[in-house]
Amino acid sequence: EPEVTQTPSHQVTQMGQEVILRCVPISNHLYFYWYRQILGQKVEFLVSFYNNEISEKSEIFDDQFSVERPDGSNFTLKIRSTKLEDSAMYFCASSEQGDRYEQYFGPGTRLTVT
Amino acid sequence: QKEVEQNSGPLSVPEGAIASLNCTYSDRGSQSFFWYRQYSGKSPELIMSIYSNGDKEDGRFTAQLNKASQYVSLLIRDSQPSDSATYLCAVQGNMLTFGGGTRLMVKP
Repeated sequence: EPEVTQTPSHQVTQMGQEVILRCVPISNHLYFYWYRQILGQKVEFLVSFYNNEISEKSEIFDDQFSVERPDGSNFTLKIRSTKLEDSAMYFCASSEQGDRYEQYFGPGTRLTVT
Repeated sequence: QKEVEQNSGPLSVPEGAIASLNCTYSDRGSQSFFWYRQYSGKSPELIMSIYSNGDKEDGRFTAQLNKASQYVSLLIRDSQPSDSATYLCAVQGNMLTFGGGTRLMVKP
C-alpha cells in the first residue's frame, strides 16, 4: 500500500541553523500538507500546497518557514533560523482529492533544536 | 478561534466492550470530519471519514455525525487491547483542525 515517507526520522540542530525536512507524498496525490506536534500537545496545521502554490497557511507558518516542491516527487519544509520552540514532530500529509478529503500522514521527523 | 474539543481520558474499557469516543467542534461551516488513531510516538493514522449527518460503519468502527449539535463520535465494537491508543478527532474548515485526543485503554 502506498505510503507517505519522510526523511530524516530525527534531526538535531543548533538554534539559528537552517533545516530542511523532506517528504515524498503518495505518488498520485496532488495536495500536500505540513503539520507539527509539540510533545504532549495537539497536532497543528502549518501549510497546504497545491499546484506549486501555498493554498492555506496558519499563523504558525511565519516568514521563517517555506515550502517547496523541488521535483516531481519531493515536498520540503524549510525552517530558516531555528528556535528552541521549533522542537516538535513534523508530519507531512498528502491527499488525492483535496482539502475536504482524506489526508494520509507520513511517519514524521522529530526535530530537536538545542 | 476554531476549536475541536475532546475529553482527554483515559477511557478504560474491558476487552470485547464498546468504546465510545466523542468530539465537539465550534465552526458551523465545517464540511468534513475525520477520526485518526495515534499510537505513542507515531503519526496519526486515518480510521474514518464522515461528511454527512448520520452513521457510517467500517468494520468494528462506526462514526456518527450531528451537524446541528456540532458533534462527532466514534464507536469501536469488540474493543481489543491493540485498540489502545489516542484517538484524534479532526475537522476540516479552511484547514484541518485537530482535537487534543482521547486516550483509550482496552484492558484484557
